[in-house]
Amino acid sequence: KAGVTQTPRYLIKTRGQQVTLSCSPISGHRSVSWYQQTPGQGLQFLFEYFSETQRNKGNFPGRFSGRQFSNSRSEMNVSTLELGDSALYLCASSYLGTGMNSPLHFGNGTRLTVT
Amino acid sequence: DAKTTQPNSMESNEEEPVHLPCNHSTISGTDYIHWYRQLPSQGPEYVIHGLTSNVNNRMASLAIAEDRKSSTLILHRATLRDAAVYYCILRDDRGSTLGRLYFGRGTQLTVWP
Repeated sequence: KAGVTQTPRYLIKTRGQQVTLSCSPISGHRSVSWYQQTPGQGLQFLFEYFSETQRNKGNFPGRFSGRQFSNSRSEMNVSTLELGDSALYLCASSYLGTGMNSPLHFGNGTRLTVT
Repeated sequence: DAKTTQPNSMESNEEEPVHLPCNHSTISGTDYIHWYRQLPSQGPEYVIHGLTSNVNNRMASLAIAEDRKSSTLILHRATLRDAAVYYCILRDDRGSTLGRLYFGRGTQLTVWP
């Protein structure tokens, strides 16, 4: 079974630009979550989608947005990039939501560098 | 958000058992205890989880204190490939926290050959 796939693996952007990151979950998984990892803040939750609906959102500005498609693939977008957005962005998928306490399966992330 | 406390780092020799502690004194009755680990240049990897009883799987064992205020991840025979940051996480699947994990700083495990 293929794991969670994130593309691209590396990305370099300039301040003020926008970027779109993609995540393909494990087949059959309907929940997709996004996390930001930096040396200073560690792993921080961005948002979670289930069946194309955002169910939960972390404490990030509105420049960070996401969506999920009918095939459960997800994208996240960051507009008006700032230097502080440089980070490893991780996507995770899980089989079910409420009450199942299903483990999250993470991809290897997209390394975004903003210059 | 329920918090966990872990040592910043631990060391072990190869083929020895490793006990990674975690304190979670504010755990609620519906919080599951999850452990993940993150190897260099990879995303976190699920290790094990439990609610009240001790749990075993092919990767590790999870020992949960009777009052649930602490737990221990046990790697029975450490290998060099077990060198990673280990995260102890409390997870509650109620509506406000669905799909959301709170990662602390974790424990950096070093394994010596």
